[in-house]
Amino acid sequence: AQSVTQLDSQVPVFEEAPVELRCNYSSSVSVYLFWYVQYPNQGLQLLLKYLSGSTLVKGINGFEAEFNKSQTSFHLRKPSVHISDTAEYFCAVSPLYNQGGKLIFGQGTELSVKP
Amino acid sequence: DSGVTQTPKHLITATGQRVTLRCSPRSGDLSVYWYQQSLDQGLQFLIQYYNGEERAKGNILERFSAQQFPDLHSELNLSSLELGDSALYFCASSVARDYNNEQFFGPGTRLTVL
Repeated sequence: AQSVTQLDSQVPVFEEAPVELRCNYSSSVSVYLFWYVQYPNQGLQLLLKYLSGSTLVKGINGFEAEFNKSQTSFHLRKPSVHISDTAEYFCAVSPLYNQGGKLIFGQGTELSVKP
Repeated sequence: DSGVTQTPKHLITATGQRVTLRCSPRSGDLSVYWYQQSLDQGLQFLIQYYNGEERAKGNILERFSAQQFPDLHSELNLSSLELGDSALYFCASSVARDYNNEQFFGPGTRLTVL
């Protein structure tokens, strides 16, 4: 079975400051890793994904994430946030070698960027 | 715009009733997924269909059922509704059957059970 833990439910930060949203996962099989963003009253949008290869993954809107296999983590970072980054962020895994392509999500981290 | 459409956007109904949520996947995508987002349970996978066949099942109640039609649109049927079924229901689609590398999400249907 797989599980995803997002270590912070809310992260307040000032505009232009750096931010890190933390994600740890547990799985008995290899997984693909994802970060999705949900803006208010909208569906989820893919920010970035790790499938294989380089452990540092760059995504849209200046976000990046680093896969750490030994620590089973996939933390999301942005060096300088904008007001428009205010949203809920979800870390997710998709197990390989299982039937189907389901996503297993963490509980979400609400990022609030203040002026 | 992800290319995935869901109707209706909002649905208000009473306990004990039955509703149908509809999803049209992106052009070319054969997999459709249903997820439920609620305050207490978070985002939970319900069920996946691939090219008309059920592919994977998650935490879907027996009162809920789904199907995918030959034109690849999907419907999620919720019956004997309870207050706790109030949630945002998302549909997503992808090209892959397994080991998907990206799912595209629709805007969701907000269900309120009174």
